[in-house]
Amino acid sequence: NAGVTQTPKFQVLKTGQSMTLQCAQDMNHNSMYWYRQDPGMGLRLIYYSASEGTTDKGEVPNGYNVSRLNKREFSLRLESAAPSQTSVYFCASRNPWGSSSYEQYFGPGTRLTVT
Amino acid sequence: GDSVTQMEGPVTLSEEAFLTINCTYTATGYPSLFWYVQYPGEGLQLLLKATKADDKGSNKGFEATYRKETTSFHLEKGSVQVSDSAVYFCALAANAGGTSYGKLTFGQGTILTVHP
Repeated sequence: NAGVTQTPKFQVLKTGQSMTLQCAQDMNHNSMYWYRQDPGMGLRLIYYSASEGTTDKGEVPNGYNVSRLNKREFSLRLESAAPSQTSVYFCASRNPWGSSSYEQYFGPGTRLTVT
Repeated sequence: GDSVTQMEGPVTLSEEAFLTINCTYTATGYPSLFWYVQYPGEGLQLLLKATKADDKGSNKGFEATYRKETTSFHLEKGSVQVSDSAVYFCALAANAGGTSYGKLTFGQGTILTVHP
């Protein structure tokens, strides 16, 4: 049971390049989330998927797109990277049912630098 | 909208010192409250939680009590260890169960460093 996995761990992009951050969970969770973490700002929600087949914008969606490929996988795409997108990106998942329905499980993060 | 405010860091303590990290929140209704911890190079892990007023969450010697009258959820530990060095995040979820999306609102994080 690997929990939430993310690839890659590190990435350097040039301004204007595109890339996709991958996230997968093996806990059979319905809900998945993408956050970015910036110094002094905590974690901010980019996009989320309440269940397979649905996605919605979070607090800071501009410049990003997502795909909920299936129940396990939720990817985040940067179409044209900008230096302002330099950040650490975390994927999380949650089972909205049961006694621990509020707990989100986080992946190890992807550190992205845009030059 | 919902918001969480944590005391500014970083916090530096000697081993066995008492720790308090303040957290206050603004939310409508009755949110669930959490403390997450992030060890160096890792993702966030849930440290403790409280889902209703006057609940006390506890784990690994850490405690926090859900105080609705003061809208606070301060984290405390009686005797910190070097291994407690990490970033601590206070968070709330306004609607955490069932069909709602369970959005977490995080504070800015407090860096704790414990010296031997």
